Amino acid sequence: KNQVEQSPQSLIILEGKNCTLQCNYTVSPFSNLRWYKQDTGRGPVSLTIMTFSENTKSNGRYTATLDADTKQSSLHITASQLSDSASYICVVTPQAGTALIFGKGTTLSVSS
Amino acid sequence: DVKVTQSSRYLVKRTGEKVFLECVQDMDHENMFWYRQDPGLGLRLIYFSYDVKMKEKGDIPEGYSVSREKKERFSLILESASTNQTSMYLCASSLSPRRHTEAFFGQGTRLTVV
Repeated sequence: KNQVEQSPQSLIILEGKNCTLQCNYTVSPFSNLRWYKQDTGRGPVSLTIMTFSENTKSNGRYTATLDADTKQSSLHITASQLSDSASYICVVTPQAGTALIFGKGTTLSVSS
Repeated sequence: DVKVTQSSRYLVKRTGEKVFLECVQDMDHENMFWYRQDPGLGLRLIYFSYDVKMKEKGDIPEGYSVSREKKERFSLILESASTNQTSMYLCASSLSPRRHTEAFFGQGTRLTVV
């Protein structure tokens, strides 16, 4: 069964610190893997998208990595800000079919 | 800017009412999706559509139906609302996942059924 597992479920860090969120997936073969940021009460917004042949993709202070051999992705946030407080969702698109497969997300709280 | 617009941010409906949630996208996307999002469960796919008048059931279609009469509009219908359908509903659209383009989400509709 295609699954996407994220860890940790929640995380609290101090402003200015770095953090790394994990995503493990069993979807194979897959077309692409995305990371979304979802602020409370809002819809998800795309941060990065990587194909199976890409290893890393950056978007400002956000850097996503992908290891297709181990079926793992990570999202690294550098010099965190209060506005980074949100849920981060890992999403995988299988090669077969249309529907996306979502992880349950990691809730990040950045405190001052 | 791609826009996915959902007709309401907040809705309160009574048990048994018929509820329509509307979603419009302005980028000529082929695929449109309806999800519900509940704490601890993440996003779950209700229905999706890959073309006008085409629809496919997602993981939790029971109690819902959809309509896609025009490419830009995808409607979610709760035939007889129940309290267990209280949730955040998210609409999304994408050109095609296999073209490595992203999916864009609407702002969400928080539905409360009382």
